[in-house]
Amino acid sequence: SAVISQKPSRDICQRGTSLTIQCQVDSQVTMMFWYRQQPGQSLTLIATANQGSEATYESGFVIDKFPISRPNLTFSTLTVSNMSPEDSSIYLCSVSAGAGVTGELFFGEGSRLTVL
Amino acid sequence: SQQGEEDPQALSIQEGENATMNCSYKTSINNLQWYRQNSGRGLVHLILIRSNEREKHSGRLRVTLDTSKKSSSLLITASRAADTASYFCATRWEYGNKLVFGAGTILRVKS
Repeated sequence: SAVISQKPSRDICQRGTSLTIQCQVDSQVTMMFWYRQQPGQSLTLIATANQGSEATYESGFVIDKFPISRPNLTFSTLTVSNMSPEDSSIYLCSVSAGAGVTGELFFGEGSRLTVL
Repeated sequence: SQQGEEDPQALSIQEGENATMNCSYKTSINNLQWYRQNSGRGLVHLILIRSNEREKHSGRLRVTLDTSKKSSSLLITASRAADTASYFCATRWEYGNKLVFGAGTILRVKS
């Protein structure tokens, strides 16, 4: 199993500002995944973050809006840039169980952002 | 999009009753997983069923998979108030590492 800590747990932000979410894992992992959950919706994958390479973004998400850092095997950050009310969501960090990529995911508790 | 559909969208039952949730998906999969989310917090993995499996049990949970119909069901037996949560199915593509989540079912168990 993996224990994932996310910070902040929640924040209220002003339109036009940027916020960086941190994700710390208690073990080394190859891939980390960032998901967005808009109010009342399911989870949508934003990007996959690999250590030592650029993140891979899903359709509809771009690096300028959601820059990601992955400086080592236990840590990643997601920045939500130039925020608008439409960015109000829960942002979740997750990692795969074990060394493979076909198993279950472990999730952090999420970062709930409200943009005014 | 591979995102699947779940039904019902919401389910309200009495404690002690069984709850059944269904999930459909669109493409070939490596495995299908079910997760629970309490009050907008992080997700917790419940059970994983591989594409070559048809049924799996874990405690009060029973999951079935029908790859010919591209569908799965999650049965929670003898439900408890603590089972109140949102339940999501998620599919792992056959040739990728991405996990795609369904729309979810909101379960309310009344005591």
